[in-house]
This record gives sequence, structure tokens and C-alpha cells, in this order.
Amino acid sequence: KAGVTQTPRYLIKTRGQQVTLSCSPISGHRSVSWYQQTPGQGLQFLFEYFSETQRNKGNFPGRFSGRQFSNSRSEMNVSTLELGDSALYLCASSSRQGLYGYTFGSGTRLTVV
Amino acid sequence: SQELEQSPQSLIVQEGKNLTINCTSSKTLYGLYWYKQKYGEGLIFLMMLQKGGEEKSHEKITAKLDEKKQQSSLHITASQPSHAGIYLCGADTSGATNKLIFGTGTLLAVQP
Repeated sequence: KAGVTQTPRYLIKTRGQQVTLSCSPISGHRSVSWYQQTPGQGLQFLFEYFSETQRNKGNFPGRFSGRQFSNSRSEMNVSTLELGDSALYLCASSSRQGLYGYTFGSGTRLTVV
Repeated sequence: SQELEQSPQSLIVQEGKNLTINCTSSKTLYGLYWYKQKYGEGLIFLMMLQKGGEEKSHEKITAKLDEKKQQSSLHITASQPSHAGIYLCGADTSGATNKLIFGTGTLLAVQP
């Protein structure tokens, strides 16, 4: 059974640019949630999608957005990148209400220069 | 203050020694998850606890949940270098959404 796949693994962008990250959940999982991990703030929840609908959103500016497709794959977009957006972005997939746990991908390391 | 406090922040132990990591929530726990992370990599799922008094074990790692104290502990018996890494507890404090809050993590080093 394939795990959660995140692409790309590493990314370097310039301030002001935008970026799109991708997450393919475990087959059969309909929930995908995104997290940002930085040394200063730790792991913080960005948003969660279930059946193409955003169900919950963390305290991040509107520059952070996402979407989910009918095959449950999800994308996260960050517009007008700032240096502080440099982080490890992780996505997690789960089945019913995390009943069987949340499986994380290997993450995308974004560096903004 | 943090909704989920982990202690200690870091730990250095000799190989073969036992250790305990604690995770305390300021909110009601609907689910408590333990993960291990190697620096810069994804989170590896260790255990999930959902009921008060629940205790689970996997190999040499045991986790317990004290629902009344809103607290969980992770205990490693006879530590090995392979146990080194960052241990994170994550909690569902809403019971209604797939959203986890995480502790700040415990960095574990095991000296051979």
C-alpha cells in the first residue's frame, strides 16, 4: 500500500513568487490536511480538505490556499512568498475522523530567498 | 502558552537506559497521537490513544493516556541508537475535525 506522496521534495523560490505543492493521499483516504513546520513555531495546522471541501482552516493569511480534487489529491498554494514562508510543509491523510491515525508524507522543504 | 506541552525538550541517554517523555494538554483530549521524526523528514506514526487509561506498546515503546489529567506519556525501555530522533505528540482537542495540534517536540539522543 503506497504511502502519502508529496512533490516536489525540495523547492527554492524568490520572494514575491508563488508556489504550488502537491499531496497524494493513501488510496481510500478522503481527508487531507496540511501543516507548516518551522524551528520557531513548530508544527502548525494550515487547513484540511475532505471530499473537495475545506472543512477547517488554521490561522494563516489568505496567501495560503489549497484545494482538493475528486481523486482526493490535494494542492497547496502560497502566493507572494515571504522569507518567513521558508519551512517544511507536510501533508497528512486519514480515513474516518482520524480513527486509524494520520499518515504523514515526507514533506516539501520550501526555501524562499 | 502552548496548548500542548511536551517535556523534556531534549534528552540524552546512554544506550540501554529507559526514558519517559510527557505530553500535557490544556484542553480535553479526543485523541492523542505519538510520532517520531528524523530531522527534516516526515513524521512516522508510532501510536494512537483514544480512551482514558488506554495503554499501547510497540516493540520497546509504550504509551499511556491519562484522560483525567489530559496527559500522555511515552516510555522507551532499553533505548537503542535507532530510537534517536524527535518525538512529537499531536492531539485532537475538538473531536469534530481532522485537525491536530502538536507539542514542541522532544529531541532524543542515545549515546552508544
